[in-house]
Amino acid sequence: GAVVSQHPSRVICKSGTSVKIECRSLDFQATTMFWYRQFPKQSLMLMATSNEGSKATYEQGVEKDKFLINHASLTLSTLTVTSAHPEDSSFYICSARDPGQLANEKLFFGSGTQLSVL
Amino acid sequence: AQSVTQLGSHVSVSEGALVLLRCNYSSSVPPYLFWYVQYPNQGLQLLLKYTTGATLVKGINGFEAEFKKSETSFHLTKPSAHMSDAAEYFCAVSESGGYQKVTFGIGTKLQVIP
Repeated sequence: GAVVSQHPSRVICKSGTSVKIECRSLDFQATTMFWYRQFPKQSLMLMATSNEGSKATYEQGVEKDKFLINHASLTLSTLTVTSAHPEDSSFYICSARDPGQLANEKLFFGSGTQLSVL
Repeated sequence: AQSVTQLGSHVSVSEGALVLLRCNYSSSVPPYLFWYVQYPNQGLQLLLKYTTGATLVKGINGFEAEFKKSETSFHLTKPSAHMSDAAEYFCAVSESGGYQKVTFGIGTKLQVIP
């Protein structure tokens, strides 16, 4: 099956620094990728939809200047958490849509990134 | 708006016992419903889905779920738990069916006791 690789799996950073998370589709071209965030004991929440070659669409309440999304190629989307603060500590997970799959099975997820901001 | 409620963030069952993970949803339109499983250090994997048609849906690894509109439920079951079933399970709902906005539950961590 299709594989989505997310890196790094864990990152610890100091407050005020920026962190970049990568999401790659390994065997298909993903025109659309999604970024989710999950706080402890809460649901996975969609942050933004990343479309190759265009600006990302952010969900309400998500700061686009803080969470920079770049989808420069059909196999790579990056999420950069700028000037990270402890409240940004969370589990971030990406997903990618494989347009070549059957209509009901074309969304694949990365393994997630646990971000801890000290 | 759509939402998902998973009752029980942790569930423990004995090996060989019935697995029942509960999921209730709310949706203003007919929903598409999903169960995803996440094994340690891996991505989310689609377990099964309901879109239209038969309300009892069979998935991988012996799991199945039944869509009950009257109860707004989509509980996940497996007759006999195996040690390899230990993982976190997420119920999700999509109104569009096109995977544009999938709303997830908080997840249920399943522990299987030998």
